Amino acid sequence: QSVLTQPPSASGTPGQRVTISCSGSSSNIGSNTVNWYQQLPGTAPKLLIYSNNYRPTGVPDRFSGSKSGTSASLAISGLQSGDEADYYCAAWDDGLNGQVFGGGTKLTVL
Amino acid sequence: QPQLQESGPGLVKPSETLSLTCTVSGGSISSDSHYWGWIRQRPGKGLEWIGNIYYSGSTYYSPSLKSRVTISVDPSKNQFSLKLSSVTAADTAVYYCASLSMTVVAFDYWGQGTLVTVSS
Repeated sequence: QSVLTQPPSASGTPGQRVTISCSGSSSNIGSNTVNWYQQLPGTAPKLLIYSNNYRPTGVPDRFSGSKSGTSASLAISGLQSGDEADYYCAAWDDGLNGQVFGGGTKLTVL
Repeated sequence: QPQLQESGPGLVKPSETLSLTCTVSGGSISSDSHYWGWIRQRPGKGLEWIGNIYYSGSTYYSPSLKSRVTISVDPSKNQFSLKLSSVTAADTAVYYCASLSMTVVAFDYWGQGTLVTVSS
């Protein structure tokens, strides 16, 4: 059981916009920033969004993040087949004094 | 940008200690802007944070693993290490090392991961 809650799956067609939610609590998302990681099949995770809504160099602006209260969302616009991956949200948890991850969302491009 | 590489045995017997090392290249482990962490992923499952260490030796551990985990750092070799004691089949996973940016509190660079199987 992950501390942060994500839907197990999401899907969309090429060109579509999809969003993935991440729900937490006051000790994690409510008081700290949220990061998102993309894990392509068979590879290591890669930082996709940091500090709620910032993209590392090289990440397309099709990816965006937002946070409100104890929840966060990742939006992917102009969906491409190469976006098929697992997506994880993460945040620091003040109560656990450690990093917590969501259970991951498997994105399928139909 | 730093590159990270995990190394260690791919097979560990139950009740023994899992030991992995992460070698950092292209950057200094003594950086004052990064912690260094271990994350694992059981087969078909999500990411699980194990712990972080600063070059000074300061550590943070996952409460669920704290009693069995030791993370250490060797600045002279630009390496940090993970030891997980009393392993069981439930510890079979891909183990990743990663750098944790203190500026944004995010794992910004990751190793490729190494599969460790616990089996007799």
